[in-house]
Amino acid sequence: EAGVAQSPRYKIIEKRQSVAFWCNPISGHATLYWYQQILGQGPKLLIQFQNNGVVDDSQLPKDRFSAERLKGVDSTLKIQPAKLEDSAVYLCASSWGLAGGRAGELFFGEGSRLTVL
Amino acid sequence: AQKVTQAQTEISVVEKEDVTLDCVYETRDTTYYLFWYKQPPSGELVFLIRRNSFDEQNEISGRYSWNFQKSTSSFNFTITASQVVDSAVYFCALATNAGKSTFGDGTTLTVKP
Repeated sequence: EAGVAQSPRYKIIEKRQSVAFWCNPISGHATLYWYQQILGQGPKLLIQFQNNGVVDDSQLPKDRFSAERLKGVDSTLKIQPAKLEDSAVYLCASSWGLAGGRAGELFFGEGSRLTVL
Repeated sequence: AQKVTQAQTEISVVEKEDVTLDCVYETRDTTYYLFWYKQPPSGELVFLIRRNSFDEQNEISGRYSWNFQKSTSSFNFTITASQVVDSAVYFCALATNAGKSTFGDGTTLTVKP
């Protein structure tokens, strides 16, 4: 079974530039998450999709971050304009869905490490 | 709101020692799920175990064991006879029935040969 794919693995940009990250979840997984992991901290949820609808984006800084999941499969997370404090690893995760005993069991990609200079 | 606290930031042990990683959580939900994930140096978080709020049975899987105590809101993780390959960051997480997961800040475990 193929895992969660993310690209790019690394990105270095200047502040105020824009960047986009891509994620392809495990086939059949209805729920997709984007997390931000700052060095030394745990992952913090940015946005959660169920199929192509947003379930939770309460912690997404909407003035600069946007995300979409067209067709309910792969997803893109964009930052525009980037700030120094956006330097982090952006993790994509997917899961089977919201119901039942597998709720919350996440499968993670390798992450996209962003450095903002 | 949910909160997960991992009070131990870093732990260092010598190979073959037993080590326990602590996790305390807060939630108002009656149905929730608790998880442990491992993040090796490569960076990819790997699922280790899930417990639901109605199942307080402890679990053992090889050298790993988990102790869930609802009375103290704790879900501790013990590695018996630790090995160098166990070196990683370990995260405790709590998920709601809607699938929203809250993570602790992790415990960095270093196992020295």
